[in-house]
Amino acid sequence: SQELEQSPQSLIVQEGKNLTINCTSSKTLYGLYWYKQKYGEGLIFLMMLQKGGEEKSHEKITAKLDEKKQQSSLHITASQPSHAGIYLCGAGNTDKLIFGTGTRLQVFP
Amino acid sequence: DADVTQTPRNRITKTGKRIMLECSQTKGHDRMYWYRQDPGLGLRLIYYSFDVKDINKGEISDGYSVSRQAQAKFSLSLESAIPNQTALYFCATSLSGRDYNEQFFGPGTRLTVL
Repeated sequence: SQELEQSPQSLIVQEGKNLTINCTSSKTLYGLYWYKQKYGEGLIFLMMLQKGGEEKSHEKITAKLDEKKQQSSLHITASQPSHAGIYLCGAGNTDKLIFGTGTRLQVFP
Repeated sequence: DADVTQTPRNRITKTGKRIMLECSQTKGHDRMYWYRQDPGLGLRLIYYSFDVKDINKGEISDGYSVSRQAQAKFSLSLESAIPNQTALYFCATSLSGRDYNEQFFGPGTRLTVL
C-alpha cells in the first residue's frame, strides 16, 4: 500500500523567513494534494498537482511535483503568522486519499 | 453557513457507551468520508460512501459503523467506545465524475473516551 512521509515533522520559523516542507511517496503519485489545517479545525484545500514537473502557486505558497512523481515540496516565501498550522499532503485516486502525518508550522514575530 | 457540518463538536463519554457522530453537507456531493486524526499518525480513513446504497470500509473500520441516511447525511457510530478511540474525527465530501478527488472537510469532532 502507498505511504506518504512528510518532513520535517515540525518547523518553527521567524516571520519573514522562507521554508520548505517535503512529502515523499513510496509509490508513483497520480494526484498529490496539499491541505492546511489550523489547530483543532478542519482541513482547507490548498492545491493539487498531477503532472511530473508541475508547479502551482497560491499567494506566497508554491507547490511542486518532481519529474518522477514520487516527491512534492511546498514552499512558503516570506512566512507570516497566518501561515501557522499543520500542512498535510494527500495522495490517491479518484475514489479515496491517504494522507501524510503532517508538518506542524509555527511562525513567531 | 458552513458547507460541511459536524455534530457534536466536542464529546466526552465513558468506556462502553454507544456514541454517534453526525455529518451533514449542503454541497450536493455524492461521496462522503469519515477520518480520524491522532497525533503523529495523520488522517486515517474509517469508512467512505459513494452514495446512499454504497458503504465501504477504510483502513481502520474495526469498532466503528456508519449509516448513510440520505445523500447529505453520513453518521459514524462507536458501538462500545474505548479509550483508544479518543481522537479528532473529520467528515469530508467530494464529487464523483472528476479526474481528481478534492475533498471538503468539516470542522471536526473532538471525542474523548474516559
